Formats: sequence, structure tokens, C-alpha cells
Amino acid sequence: AQSVTQLDSHVSVSEGTPVLLRCNYSSSYSPSLFWYVQHPNKGLQLLLKYTSAATLVKGINGFEAEFKKSETSFHLTKPSAHMSDAAEYFCVVSEGWDSSYKLIFGSGTRLLVRP
Amino acid sequence: NAGVTQTPKFRVLKTGQSMTLLCAQDMNHEYMYWYRQDPGMGLRLIHYSVGEGTTAKGEVPDGYNVSRLKKQNFLLGLESAAPSQTSVYFCASRPDRQNQPQHFGDGTRLSIL
Repeated sequence: AQSVTQLDSHVSVSEGTPVLLRCNYSSSYSPSLFWYVQHPNKGLQLLLKYTSAATLVKGINGFEAEFKKSETSFHLTKPSAHMSDAAEYFCVVSEGWDSSYKLIFGSGTRLLVRP
Repeated sequence: NAGVTQTPKFRVLKTGQSMTLLCAQDMNHEYMYWYRQDPGMGLRLIHYSVGEGTTAKGEVPDGYNVSRLKKQNFLLGLESAAPSQTSVYFCASRPDRQNQPQHFGDGTRLSIL
């Protein structure tokens, strides 16, 4: 069965410093992996997706993630945090064999950015 | 370019009351989903639809019903609301093609007193 574990419920960084949000997944088949961001009182916006092409995926707003099959990880990074990055981030997996394309969500990581 | 629109945005109900949440998408997507979001639990799938006239149960379907009479609309019903259904509800849609993300609405905040 597929599952997603986000290793930190909260991450706090200073503006201008790097961001690392950690995600491990469990999947029995070739998964699709996504990172979504949710700003307060808003819906979820897609940051980036991995779909078995390049293992280093670039997304919007300077974020990127690296798919590491040997470590079953899909960590999200950004070289320099901005105040507008403060939000909740969700790592999400979708099984390749599942024709309903259901998503399994991690429990989320809240990113705080200090001035 | 509306995308996915949810109505209403906020609602307060009394225990036992019924209501319907409406999700509308203008992207001609085949697949539609209803989720609930509770603190510390991410999003959990309630029901979904793979096309007009079809629905299926997700992870937490109890206490909810859905209908997809038109391709662009996906309705979520609560027949007899309970305090445990206090949550934020999100609708999403996606096309029937590989490796496509789901597109989300802005959510409906529902409180059951």
C-alpha cells in the first residue's frame, strides 16, 4: 500500500536561508509524486511533479525536488527563503497502476519564515 | 478562467441538518474528487468520480453522498450533519491523461454545532 511521510510538522528558517522539507514515500509500483503548497484560507497549488522523467524536478517560485528511489525520498528544497514562502506544504503520491489517479497526502509541513 | 469553483465558501449547520456542497469545473475534466482536511491529517478522500454518472467511495465515505449528473458538476451531500463532519472540504478535478496533477478549489469551511 502506498503512503507518504513528511518528517517535520513544522520548519522554521530565516529569510534568505535555504529551505529543506523532507518527504519519504512507500509505493509498490512506479509512482507519480507531487508537492503542493497551501497558503492560509486558500486551496492547494501545484509546486512541482515527478513522473519518471528527470529525477531532479524544478517547480515554480524557485523550488525543486529530487527523486531518490534508493532512499524512497522526494525532498523539497529552495536555495533562499522568501517571506511569501510561509505556508503549508504537502507531499503527495499517486500510484502508476491506479486508473482513478487517487492521491495520498502526507500530513503536511508548515514552513515559517523569520524576517 | 475560473478553474474549480466551490460554493458556499462558509457554512454553519446544526446537528441533524442537511446540506449540499457544489463543485463546478470549467476545464472539461473527466475526474473529480471530494476531500476533507483536518488539522495534522493532510487531505483525505471522501468520494470521487471518473466520469459523468459514476461515483466511487474513497477513504472516508461514511455520512456523505455524492452525485455527478453533469460532467462539470460534482455534488457532496450531508444527509444528517454531525459535529465530526466539521472540517474544510476541497474539491479537485483532473483530465484523463497520465501524469496530470489535480486542480483544487479554494475550499468550503463547514462547522457543525
